[in-house]
Amino acid sequence: QSVLTQPPSASGTPGQRVTISCSGSKSNIGSNSVNWYQHVPGTAPKLLMQNNNQRPSGVPARFSGSKSGTSASLAISGLQSEDEADYYCAAWDDSLNGALFGGGTKLTV
Amino acid sequence: QVQLQESGPGLVKPSQTLSLTCSVSGDSISSGTHWWTWLRQHPGMGLEWIGYMHHSGNTYFNPSLRSRVAMSMDTSRNQFSLSLTSVTAADTAVYYCARTCDGGSCFDYWGQGTLVTVSS
Repeated sequence: QSVLTQPPSASGTPGQRVTISCSGSKSNIGSNSVNWYQHVPGTAPKLLMQNNNQRPSGVPARFSGSKSGTSASLAISGLQSEDEADYYCAAWDDSLNGALFGGGTKLTV
Repeated sequence: QVQLQESGPGLVKPSQTLSLTCSVSGDSISSGTHWWTWLRQHPGMGLEWIGYMHHSGNTYFNPSLRSRVAMSMDTSRNQFSLSLTSVTAADTAVYYCARTCDGGSCFDYWGQGTLVTVSS
């Protein structure tokens, strides 16, 4: 069972805005930055958001990230069909002394 | 453009050692700028961090796997490797190699992944 908690699924229609949450604790999200990954099964996962809210080069501006306390969220505005994928949050955990992933959220468009 | 490619046996017998290699192009694993990572995804499950290694020889491993994991580098071939001993069916997964960026959970370039099945 993942220490970072994500909803197993989310959905929206094209053009809508959706938000995916990631809940952790003081030792992970509360103390370290959160990164988000987009994964289309059968392909390599893609870094979508780093250091809570920084978009790597090439990631559209309609993707945004935020963090508050021990929770983080990823927002996708102007939803497109190609956004259909699994989304994972990740953070370093100071107690585990290792990287943790959320269980993943399957986004259906 | 940085590219990573995993290689190794797709089938390993229980109790044996799983060995995978990641070939890197577009960056030098000996530059010391990045850590190099192994992760996996069990069928139908989420991502799991296995561990990473730096050119200095320093490593960090997932505590749940630490007793069975080893990593090594071959700088002459720009490759790094994973070794997982005493495997069971629970180690069946798609294994990914990746490059670590800022912070311990940031991985900016990934391989395509390779499925390893543990079965007799």
